[in-house]
Amino acid sequence: DAKTTQPPSMDCAEGRAANLPCNHSTISGNEYVYWYRQIHSQGPQYIIHGLKNNETNEMASLIITEDRKSSTLILPHATLRDTAVYYCTPGRINDYKLSFGAGTTVTVRA
Amino acid sequence: NAGVTQTPKFRVLKTGQSMTLLCAQDMNHEYMYWYRQDPGMGLRLIHYSVGEGTTAKGEVPDGYNVSRLKKQNFLLGLESAAPSQTSVYFCASSKPSGVTKNIQYFGAGTRLSVL
Repeated sequence: DAKTTQPPSMDCAEGRAANLPCNHSTISGNEYVYWYRQIHSQGPQYIIHGLKNNETNEMASLIITEDRKSSTLILPHATLRDTAVYYCTPGRINDYKLSFGAGTTVTVRA
Repeated sequence: NAGVTQTPKFRVLKTGQSMTLLCAQDMNHEYMYWYRQDPGMGLRLIHYSVGEGTTAKGEVPDGYNVSRLKKQNFLLGLESAAPSQTSVYFCASSKPSGVTKNIQYFGAGTRLSVL
């Protein structure tokens, strides 16, 4: 299974875009990249996933590099409620087990 | 729509006591999971189930047992609690098809302290 590397923490100004990087250089061809977040004292929440194309939904955008070795989650207009730990995790389409590492603690400041 | 509900929300046990954590989901999901989360760490998979009557070990199964007698419920048992099992426990569920297998829906967690 692919290993992921994320910065331990980052700050973002309210209203600005937050760009969260994730390195997954060992990802295999049949592994998607999933992003979750965990707001303090709550259960994790699914955000978005992708294979090789860029994806966008109502919560965020996901940019995956052409070689698929890294990706960036973009929160276009960060709000204070986006303060959370963000997890990047690979997942196989024929599997159902995810691996949640330490993630990136994102603090959005007013 | 309640989603994934965990009971209890908090519990304090003495070493050696037993307890069962209940997870219930109303989304008709086939797959269910139990994770534990220790301070400053990510989630670690304890056990999971791919359907009623089936269970499998995850990354850290020792000291825990599980049962899935009904599709909507997944029980996590601690037969003889130890201080090392002090943690926050999360239950999750997901659909069985394609990429949605890995879109997991989580409960609010059970905070367990073992003294």
